Amino acid sequence: QVQLQESGPGLVKPSETLSLTCTVSGGSISSYYWSWIRQPPGKGLEWIGYIYDSGSSNYNPSLKSRVTISVDTSKNQFSLKLSSVTAADTAVYYCARVKAGGPRRGMDVWGQGTTVTVSS
Amino acid sequence: DIVMTQSPDSLAVSLGERATINCKSSQSVLYSSNNKDYLAWYQQKPGQPPKLLIYWASTRESGVPDRFSASGSGTDFTLTISSLQAEDVAVYYCQQYYSTPYTFGQGTKLEIK
Repeated sequence: QVQLQESGPGLVKPSETLSLTCTVSGGSISSYYWSWIRQPPGKGLEWIGYIYDSGSSNYNPSLKSRVTISVDTSKNQFSLKLSSVTAADTAVYYCARVKAGGPRRGMDVWGQGTTVTVSS
Repeated sequence: DIVMTQSPDSLAVSLGERATINCKSSQSVLYSSNNKDYLAWYQQKPGQPPKLLIYWASTRESGVPDRFSASGSGTDFTLTISSLQAEDVAVYYCQQYYSTPYTFGQGTKLEIK
């Protein structure tokens, strides 16, 4: 079955750019929407944005000026870049697949998550 | 943004008893053109990612035990676990996908009494 795996640095300095990649295995990245979600320590879930295999994307306005989500269909990967990070961006970052049929669906496959700490 | 508010924040239920979690949205998530409520429920156990339980407000995801059920429409929704099992200890979240930014409730922590 489809599995997702996040990868990237676990420690990022303030003001720098957080970069994460989600690798999709066991299935194709094509014809699905793919999301990033984050969870600060001990807190709830925040949707960051999604991307389609065509590159069409939608971001949370609260992060929009700092977020870029991209897709590389040849590698079956999609990526997250978050610029000008602060301690408030410290969180577990999850990638997830949106259920088939469009962006307005629940998210049925999740990666295990990767912890990113913003600290000097 | 649509604000999702869950109640209670935490809940302790005896094994075998019923657990009920509520979720209220600040505006309707019912899409009139297809009569579907754009709401999902997730279960998150410690150290694990969320797991999709329910979508379209009441459709159980494949593989989810039938003791999990959900109901509601418009702005008020309920997740029910009919007979609590030890493995159901988790935090439960509702999420609206009616409009972006998609938003989650604050979570309800379910424990064994």
